[in-house]
Amino acid sequence: EIVLTQSPTTMAASPGEKVTLTCRASSSVSYMHWYQQKSGASPKLWIYDTSNRASGVPNRFSGSGSGTSYSLTISSMETEDAATYYCQQWSSNPLTFGSGTKLEIK
Amino acid sequence: EVQLVESGGGLVQPGRSLKLSCAASGFTFSNYYMAWVRQAPKKGLEWVATISTSGSRTYYPDSVKGRFTISRDNAKSSLYLQMNSLKSEDTATYYCARHQGSSYFDYWGQGVMVTVSS
Repeated sequence: EIVLTQSPTTMAASPGEKVTLTCRASSSVSYMHWYQQKSGASPKLWIYDTSNRASGVPNRFSGSGSGTSYSLTISSMETEDAATYYCQQWSSNPLTFGSGTKLEIK
Repeated sequence: EVQLVESGGGLVQPGRSLKLSCAASGFTFSNYYMAWVRQAPKKGLEWVATISTSGSRTYYPDSVKGRFTISRDNAKSSLYLQMNSLKSEDTATYYCARHQGSSYFDYWGQGVMVTVSS
């Protein structure tokens, strides 16, 4: 099983600050996908195939990485970006999610 | 507009069974792999099952293999999850989700709560 380790577990950022969330895989994966989940709501696809923004996702969000190291970056934090972000892979069975990074506004 | 609406959740005793349903609309259901993903209270996301377009192939993690069965009825645009021998650790919100490219989930339902307790 590929274990996805997200860091940090929790962080707070000020409006306008650049934010980078990291997802490390225990073995190499071909693609990484990211979801945003706000409290009490269903997850939403945010970034797919490592670097593609889902429909409606602001262009301040970007994804990058390869092999075992992937990241989601917010170029300039906004209050609406406060949420929990999960990474996910299915390069090998079973499909796995990271444990999430909770991003708060400072 | 893509819509996924789950139903069938509730309180069930350990060892008993429950069947969840997901009604899909707004897209050609038979063209997509579908899945169930769960989230225990205040915990992260856990994949539960995936089914191919025709239903001929199913995939499960070890945590539910042999206890849960995913199925679909393409004529009714519906997805199901039969859960047997339920345990307290199966307590979670269960989401129906659409697979894209057999890899990621591009649409999610609102979720249905399942509580396993005596």
